Amino acid sequence: NAGVTQTPKFQVLKTGQSMTLQCAQDMNHEYMSWYRQDPGMGLRLIHYSVGAGITDQGEVPNGYNVSRSTTEDFPLRLLSAAPSQTSVYFCASFQGNGNTIYFGEGSWLTVV
Amino acid sequence: GENVEQHPSTLSVQEGDSAVIKCTYSDSASNYFPWYKQELGKRPQLIIDIRSNVGEKKDQRIAVTLNKTAKHFSLHITETQPEDSAVYFCAASSYSSASKIIFGSGTRLSIRP
Repeated sequence: NAGVTQTPKFQVLKTGQSMTLQCAQDMNHEYMSWYRQDPGMGLRLIHYSVGAGITDQGEVPNGYNVSRSTTEDFPLRLLSAAPSQTSVYFCASFQGNGNTIYFGEGSWLTVV
Repeated sequence: GENVEQHPSTLSVQEGDSAVIKCTYSDSASNYFPWYKQELGKRPQLIIDIRSNVGEKKDQRIAVTLNKTAKHFSLHITETQPEDSAVYFCAASSYSSASKIIFGSGTRLSIRP
């Protein structure tokens, strides 16, 4: 049982490039979310999903796309990277209200 | 939607003293209030949670209290130790907002030797 697995752990992008952060969970959780954490800041919700085929926007969705084709996977796509997207990205999954949220180890992204 | 405010943003306490972090929430339907601890360079991890039918919950040196009328809840850490140094986040959710978990802005707790 690996929990929530994110890849890559570290990535440097040039402005304008696109990339996908991968997230997979093996706990059969319905709910999955992506957060970003800027230095010294809190966790801000980017996008979330309540099940396969269902996604919605969080607090800071601009510049990001998500999809949920399976229960296990929830990739985050940066469409055209900007320096403002330099951050640590956390994927999370949980089974619903009142249940523990499990986070991945984080992906450190730098956009130059 | 839910709005969670957390105070203070930074807190420094002497080792052995107590630390208190406070959060307020806006949605009166919220019924689940977890606290997460994030050590430097690591992922956030659940340390304690409380449900709306309970006013207080303890787990060794940590406790959480909930005041539903005032819509605030607090994390209490007693006999603080160096390993308590971390960033702490609160959150609030309800059945209707369970999918959209919004966290407080975090408190950086430092324990002075």
